[in-house]
Amino acid sequence: AQSVTQLGSHVSVSEGALVLLRCNYSSSVPPYLFWYVQYPNQGLQLLLKYTSAATLVKGINGFEAEFKKSETSFHLTKPSAHMSDAAEYFCAVSPQGAQKLVFGQGTRLTINP
Amino acid sequence: KAGVTQTPRYLIKTRGQQVTLSCSPISGHRSVSWYQQTPGQGLQFLFEYFSETQRNKGNFPGRFSGRQFSNSRSEMNVSTLELGDSALYLCASSLEGRETDTQYFGPGTRLTVL
Repeated sequence: AQSVTQLGSHVSVSEGALVLLRCNYSSSVPPYLFWYVQYPNQGLQLLLKYTSAATLVKGINGFEAEFKKSETSFHLTKPSAHMSDAAEYFCAVSPQGAQKLVFGQGTRLTINP
Repeated sequence: KAGVTQTPRYLIKTRGQQVTLSCSPISGHRSVSWYQQTPGQGLQFLFEYFSETQRNKGNFPGRFSGRQFSNSRSEMNVSTLELGDSALYLCASSLEGRETDTQYFGPGTRLTVL
């Protein structure tokens, strides 16, 4: 079964600093990978997705992620954190042949002024 | 386009009761999926409907059921509620329900079971 592991349930960075949220996947076949963000009392919003095209994927709000097969990773980065980035971030994998997202446990990002 | 809407937004029930949650997908979207979000278990897939048929099902007991109507609107039902069913229930819609399709999420229904 496919799964994802997010390292670090809480990440805290200063405003203007690099944001790095880690995600590793487990899959016997090339996966489809997603990053979603959830703001308080809201649903999930797609940041970006990898569907076996370019390995460096650019998303909304300045976020990007790189698919590294050798490391089974799909880490999310943003060069400069903004206060509005404070939220919970979820990495997810979609098994081939099925529309069902398998989510990681989430990483809560805090931005310090 | 209007986003995914879910009703009601908040619900309080007691153990043993049943509950029905409603989801209206984005216009033109044919696939609707349901997820349960709890602090302990995180986000878990419940089921997915496409063209009024359940195509995929997660690992939940039979008390959890759903259906989809011809206009793609979907409902999920939980019978004989337990305390552990307290959660945020999220609905998501996508165009064709392919594994690469983006799923657009609604704001969720927060269910509290007392």
